[in-house]
Amino acid sequence: GAVVSQHPSWVICKSGTSVKIECRSLDFQATTMFWYRQFPKQSLMLMATSNEGSKATYEQGVEKDKFLINHASLTLSTLTVTSAHPEDSSFYICSAGTYNNEQFFGPGTRLTVL
Amino acid sequence: KNQVEQSPQSLIILEGKNCTLQCNYTVSPFSNLRWYKQDTGRGPVSLTIMTFSENTKSNGRYTATLDADTKQSSLHITASQLSDSASYICVVPHLALSRSNDYKLSFGAGTTVTVRA
Repeated sequence: GAVVSQHPSWVICKSGTSVKIECRSLDFQATTMFWYRQFPKQSLMLMATSNEGSKATYEQGVEKDKFLINHASLTLSTLTVTSAHPEDSSFYICSAGTYNNEQFFGPGTRLTVL
Repeated sequence: KNQVEQSPQSLIILEGKNCTLQCNYTVSPFSNLRWYKQDTGRGPVSLTIMTFSENTKSNGRYTATLDADTKQSSLHITASQLSDSASYICVVPHLALSRSNDYKLSFGAGTTVTVRA
């Protein structure tokens, strides 16, 4: 149980385009979903926290208009990187939180912006 | 400030040998400490979750210890295998003061373990 999936697992796009990443909790309902970014040889950095049906809470320094988060249901959250640029290239990881504050991480999405 | 520090940054061990990773934290109030394994290009996978009342917890060849008084934890890998090569991350939740009842995770920088045949 407690499986979280992400799609796509990797994506390559041209600079200026938008990319949508999906995060799904497959066998449980997530009260909260989290989006992280991880650069090479660094730890995960929280970008935003989202609760189903409400606006996401962004961490300081994360542009909410650039990283659009939609949390339409208890099993699905999406992150859209708008007008992507090479500096947005990174490993994006979502996690789904349960009622007892445990988080289960997705397998990650590798974004490469050319 | 809520911080999680891990050591060593990296280590190389021979297959079949044991190793121990360290984690020191300053998170307060403390509720639990988690060890994750992250393979290259993958998301973190939970190994153990320890509450303040637990001193030792095992998951197969992985054994975690916790000293809540000194705020230290260790992860011991026994009889290492090539598949143990990964980054091991110590994580401690803390309350997000700006949002009551919400919590955030404080991540250590991780220890990269390389197991060689």
